[in-house]
Amino acid sequence: AQSVSQHNHHVILSEAASLELGCNYSYGGTVNLFWYVQYPGQHLQLLLKYFSGDPLVKGIKGFEAEFIKSKFSFNLRKPSVQWSDTAEYFCAVTAGSWGKFQFGAGTQVVVTP
Amino acid sequence: EADIYQTPRYLVIGTGKKITLECSQTMGHDKMYWYQQDPGMELHLIHYSYGVNSTEKGDLSSESTVSRIRTEHFPLTLESARPSHTSQYLCASSEPGVETQYFGPGTRLLVL
Repeated sequence: AQSVSQHNHHVILSEAASLELGCNYSYGGTVNLFWYVQYPGQHLQLLLKYFSGDPLVKGIKGFEAEFIKSKFSFNLRKPSVQWSDTAEYFCAVTAGSWGKFQFGAGTQVVVTP
Repeated sequence: EADIYQTPRYLVIGTGKKITLECSQTMGHDKMYWYQQDPGMELHLIHYSYGVNSTEKGDLSSESTVSRIRTEHFPLTLESARPSHTSQYLCASSEPGVETQYFGPGTRLLVL
């Protein structure tokens, strides 16, 4: 069965620190990959997505993610975080064309001033 | 910003009550979804729909039911709420062929 694993459940870091959140999936076929973010009290929002092409994807708010097919990974990065990046981050994978998502458990990121 | 709405946002109800969680989207999306999310846990798909009159059960077994009589509306019903139904319920929609899902704000349900 398809699964998505996020390595860290909680991350605490200071402003200006670099952030990297790991995401691995288990599915051997073609996949579409997503990172969603949920700021406190807000909707889940799309941060970035990968369907095909350049494996380095840039999203909103300075985030980027790299798809490494051989490692089944889609790690999220931001070189310098801000306090406003405090949120929960979810990795998600779909396989096939009908849009059924498999979500990771989420990583709670807290950025301290 | 996606136009997908859920009501109520918060609901506290007693055991045995029937409840309906509303979800509406104004984007004309054919595909709609219901997820259940417990604190600190991943989202679990409980129901989905390809379009009007289409409903399917998701990966996580749920005692809830859904209906899709209109494209824009995908309500979820619990005939008899129990404390084990306490959770957050998220509704989402997407366009055919476009994988991105847009999420509503969620309904936090507490069954006493």
